[in-house]
Amino acid sequence: SAVISQKPSRDICQRGTSLTIQCQVDSQVTMMFWYRQQPGQSLTLIATANQGSEATYESGFVIDKFPISRPNLTFSTLTVSNMSPEDSSIYLCSVEDALAGDTGELFFGEGSRLTVL
Amino acid sequence: AQSVTQPDIHITVSEGASLELRCNYSYGATPYLFWYVQSPGQGLQLLLKYFSGDTLVQGIKGFEAEFKRSQSSFNLRKPSVHWSDAAEYFCAVGAWAAGNKLTFGGGTRVLVKP
Repeated sequence: SAVISQKPSRDICQRGTSLTIQCQVDSQVTMMFWYRQQPGQSLTLIATANQGSEATYESGFVIDKFPISRPNLTFSTLTVSNMSPEDSSIYLCSVEDALAGDTGELFFGEGSRLTVL
Repeated sequence: AQSVTQPDIHITVSEGASLELRCNYSYGATPYLFWYVQSPGQGLQLLLKYFSGDTLVQGIKGFEAEFKRSQSSFNLRKPSVHWSDAAEYFCAVGAWAAGNKLTFGGGTRVLVKP
């Protein structure tokens, strides 16, 4: 199974600032996914990050607000821009299990808990 | 598009009692089904998965789930709950036709009474 490390694990941020979350995987993966989990809610997919191409955003999420980088097959970043209290959430990085074939099975990092004041 | 419903937001169970968490999905073909567990302050851990074959699947930590196509359900069960099972449980459906994106249910929070 893939081991996923996220930084920071938690942060408290001021309104209007931006924060970049890093996701490091211990093996090369094709697809990486960023999810948001708002307080008391389920997970919502923000975007799919593929190496060498622009991220693909889900409905309701835009690149200006959540720019994503994917410089290589083991690393990705998600930036939460111009933050407001509504952005207070856990942001989770995930990758597909390459051994599970085209099943969509995912491994998750421990998440980055952001609180915006 | 696929969707997942977990009807129970909270469940409280006594330690040693059995547990069943409900999950209903909507998808036009046979989906890939997953149960994940999220302990407080932790990421998500895969408990078990169904792709095809035997409709009763065994997972980690003594959990099992049964896929019932006729009921569009994939309920999770454990015969005897331990205090460490207190967590949030998410059912998810994946579909190759949807680019393998997982859709998660709303989650069920399990509280375990001593």
